Amino acid sequence: ETGVTQTPRHLVMGMTNKKSLKCEQHLGHNAMYWYKQSAKKPLELMFVYSLEERVENNSVPSRFSPECPNSSHLFLHLHTLQPEDSALYLCASSQGFQAAEGIPTDTQYFGPGTRLTVL
Amino acid sequence: RKEVEQDPGPFNVPEGATVAFNCTYSNSASQSFFWYRQDCRKEPKLLMSVYSSGNEDGRFTAQLNRASQYISLLIRDSKLSDSATYLCVVISGGFKTIFGAGTRLFVKA
Repeated sequence: ETGVTQTPRHLVMGMTNKKSLKCEQHLGHNAMYWYKQSAKKPLELMFVYSLEERVENNSVPSRFSPECPNSSHLFLHLHTLQPEDSALYLCASSQGFQAAEGIPTDTQYFGPGTRLTVL
Repeated sequence: RKEVEQDPGPFNVPEGATVAFNCTYSNSASQSFFWYRQDCRKEPKLLMSVYSSGNEDGRFTAQLNRASQYISLLIRDSKLSDSATYLCVVISGGFKTIFGAGTRLFVKA
């Protein structure tokens, strides 16, 4: 499946490095999401962009900086990370429409993730 | 209380068994509900949306109980390939998406 792609798939970086994660969706969706999945923890929503505007920012440290240049692309810029930031970072996209009563929408489709290790 | 809670399991069942998972949520204003499946070291994939009236897709049935604030997933005639972690997802207003920690299922021959 190539609906949502992420690069790189694996990344090892030092605490002083700067790197960026990239996500691209080919589904014509209007909303894009960044999640963090640490071992034995639920997925944590980090950021949401709808129509290229940030609509959710869940108290994420400033060393994570998202960027959404258009509705198909989403970046996560990383700077001076800590070892506890090592995790699987997942991107998702959805149509972005609000749910009508009893009709679920905002079905999210995930990319394969970037497995990040911070040394 | 966690916003979304699931029994982590693991559930160990033989092939052909029927197994059910529940997921409770705390925000009564929650709007949309889903079940996702996640295989080891893979991304979550949508299994089914959960409709107010309940819905069925082959061997899978999802139910929503708004009064008691839980959703359920029933798997009939379990297959080896059903072994995975099942995640419940609740969307509460706007794009606020909350995942449960997941329930692990092992189906054995």
